[in-house]
Amino acid sequence: AQSVAQPEDQVNVAEGNPLTVKCTYSVSGNPYLFWYVQYPNRGLQFLLKYITGDNLVKGSYGFEAEFNKSQTSFHLKKPSALVSDSALYFCAVSNTGKLIFGQGTTLQVKP
Amino acid sequence: DAGVTQSPTHLIKTRGQQVTLRCSPISGHKSVSWYQQVLGQGPQFIFQYYEKEERGRGNFPDRFSARQFPNYSSELNVNALLLGDSALYLCASSPGQAGAIRMSQETQYFGPGTRLLVL
Repeated sequence: AQSVAQPEDQVNVAEGNPLTVKCTYSVSGNPYLFWYVQYPNRGLQFLLKYITGDNLVKGSYGFEAEFNKSQTSFHLKKPSALVSDSALYFCAVSNTGKLIFGQGTTLQVKP
Repeated sequence: DAGVTQSPTHLIKTRGQQVTLRCSPISGHKSVSWYQQVLGQGPQFIFQYYEKEERGRGNFPDRFSARQFPNYSSELNVNALLLGDSALYLCASSPGQAGAIRMSQETQYFGPGTRLLVL
């Protein structure tokens, strides 16, 4: 069965510092991995995805993610956090078009 | 371009009632998926439709049903509502391609959701 895990319920970071939100996955076959962000009382916004190729994927709003096959990880990163990045972040794996989400990580960026 | 739209935005029902949620995909998108997000959890897959055919079904009871219309819009129906059906229901659209691998690679774009409260 395919699954993703987000080991941290919450990540706290100071504005201007780098941030990392962790995700590990378990899939049979090639992994197709996604990151979404959800602001309060809103739907999910797509940030980036890994399909194949370069292990470093660049996405929206300055976010990037690093695919690591040996560690089965797909961590979300940003070099310099903004207060406006504070939100709920979801990692997901796609299985025949069905997205399987992690439990989510709340990112809190403090001024 | 307009994104995915859903209606209504909020809904209050009582146990045992039936509800219909609506979704309009991004123009040109042929695939629509439905997800249930209970408070504090990640979204759970309910259904996927492509070209008006059901392509996938999640682990939900038969009280949940859906359909896709010729204009690619979709409806999600839930019968005999239970308190546990209270959740944010999200619709997502994608361009839609034949083949499991291509479908897996597509980005799904989500609407704002319908928040259902069952009393």
